[in-house]
Amino acid sequence: DSGVTQTPKHLITATGQRVTLRCSPRSGDLSVYWYQQSLDQGLQFLIQYYNGEERAKGNILERFSAQQFPDLHSELNLSSLELGDSALYFCASSVASGTGGDEQYFGPGTRLTVT
Amino acid sequence: GQQLNQSPQSMFIQEGEDVSMNCTSSSIFNTWLWYKQDPGEGPVLLIALYKAGELTSNGRLTAQFGITRKDSFLNISASIPSDVGIYFCAGRYSGGGADGLTFGKGTHLIIQP
Repeated sequence: DSGVTQTPKHLITATGQRVTLRCSPRSGDLSVYWYQQSLDQGLQFLIQYYNGEERAKGNILERFSAQQFPDLHSELNLSSLELGDSALYFCASSVASGTGGDEQYFGPGTRLTVT
Repeated sequence: GQQLNQSPQSMFIQEGEDVSMNCTSSSIFNTWLWYKQDPGEGPVLLIALYKAGELTSNGRLTAQFGITRKDSFLNISASIPSDVGIYFCAGRYSGGGADGLTFGKGTHLIIQP
C-alpha cells in the first residue's frame, strides 16, 4: 500500500458526460501528479500540483482540468467525454517538487470506461 | 517531446533465470526510475538512480544509470514467480520545480515454472 488513495476504483459513463476523480496524497506529501494509462499511449503525465498551485502540464487535453485543495487532496475533472478517454487514471504524490530524491508513489488508479 | 524506448516488449523465461531489460532516450534525464506494475494495481517504485554511472541494487534487482544520461538498464537475478508483471522505466528532467515522469512502454515479464 503506497498510502495514496483514489476514488472511485471504477467509473462507467456515457460520451459527452463529465466526471470527477479524487486523490488523497500520502501524509506529508505536497505534490500531486495525474497520469493517464491507455493501451496505445502507455503512461502519460497529465498535470502536477504543488501545495495548491499548478506546477507543470504534460499531455493534458483542454477538456480536462485539475485542482488541489487546501487539505492537499486533488481532483481531476474530465468533461465532454469521448470513447478514447477510456483509460486508467493514476494519481501519484511526492514530498516536494523538483528537488530530486523524493520520488513519486502511485495510487491504485481509477478505471474509466466511456460507452 | 521526450520518448523512451524500452526493450524487450515481453520476455518468456524459466524460473531461476536472470532477466535484463533496458531503456534508451532521445534526450538526457537527471533521474532514472524503475517501476513494476501488477494487474489492477498502480506502479510500484523499485529503484531510483540519480547520477550518471550509478549502479544501485535492491535485493535481486540491480539497475544502472548510463553515463550518457540517455539510457538505463534493469537486471533481475534468479527470477521467481512473483517477479511476473510489467516493468516500466521512467525518466525525469527536473526544471523549474516541474518533474512529471516520462515512461517507457513497459516490459511484460512472464515466468514459466
